[in-house]
Amino acid sequence: DTAVSQTPKYLVTQMGNDKSIKCEQNLGHDTMYWYKQDSKKFLKIMFSYNNKELIINETVPNRFSPKSPDKAHLNLHINSLELGDSAVYFCASSQGRSGSTTQYFGPGTRLLVL
Amino acid sequence: KNQVEQSPQSLIILEGKNCTLQCNYTVSPFSNLRWYKQDTGRGPVSLTIMTFSENTKSNGRYTATLDADTKQSSLHITASQLSDSASYICVVSRGGTGGGNKLTFGTGTQLKVEL
Repeated sequence: DTAVSQTPKYLVTQMGNDKSIKCEQNLGHDTMYWYKQDSKKFLKIMFSYNNKELIINETVPNRFSPKSPDKAHLNLHINSLELGDSAVYFCASSQGRSGSTTQYFGPGTRLLVL
Repeated sequence: KNQVEQSPQSLIILEGKNCTLQCNYTVSPFSNLRWYKQDTGRGPVSLTIMTFSENTKSNGRYTATLDADTKQSSLHITASQLSDSASYICVVSRGGTGGGNKLTFGTGTQLKVEL
């Protein structure tokens, strides 16, 4: 009955590596998001896709590239990982692209770059 | 600058007591305000969403208020339980053209409920 799932839950890797995080939602939503939560627990939106179309792309380094193969999936690929990329990454989904709909968050992926 | 500030930063209360968390924002134009609860090690869960015309909304023991004139919101928790221990995050959505969701997150209030 998982609504929004992410894999992996934990990711420990060396600086300079390339890694991917996957997200899937089974809620039938048409909009998905990626958020980054830093060590101070501050959540910041990175990307948003509506029906596989990129609608929000905040100031994020080019090393981060989202990919949405279909409405139910939004993956995040990170190239040349840096120490500052260490954070918890949350995927979320909602129905509709307006700001008034409830977003459902996944459990998070804890990324540690050594 | 669009900002959301929450107070207090952290709070410890005894089980059964009530508490109120505050949120002040400068986001404009305003679309809606949400309160989320985030348990340790988990993703945020939505508690309430309020639009400009709503000044109070309840979800069980949680009651949120909104004063759009003073740009303030509060989250009142009644008869607290140990399971209320979590981070409570205030999020304000910006309206306007351009589509998409323009959400500004507060840094949260860390609540601990003790026996």
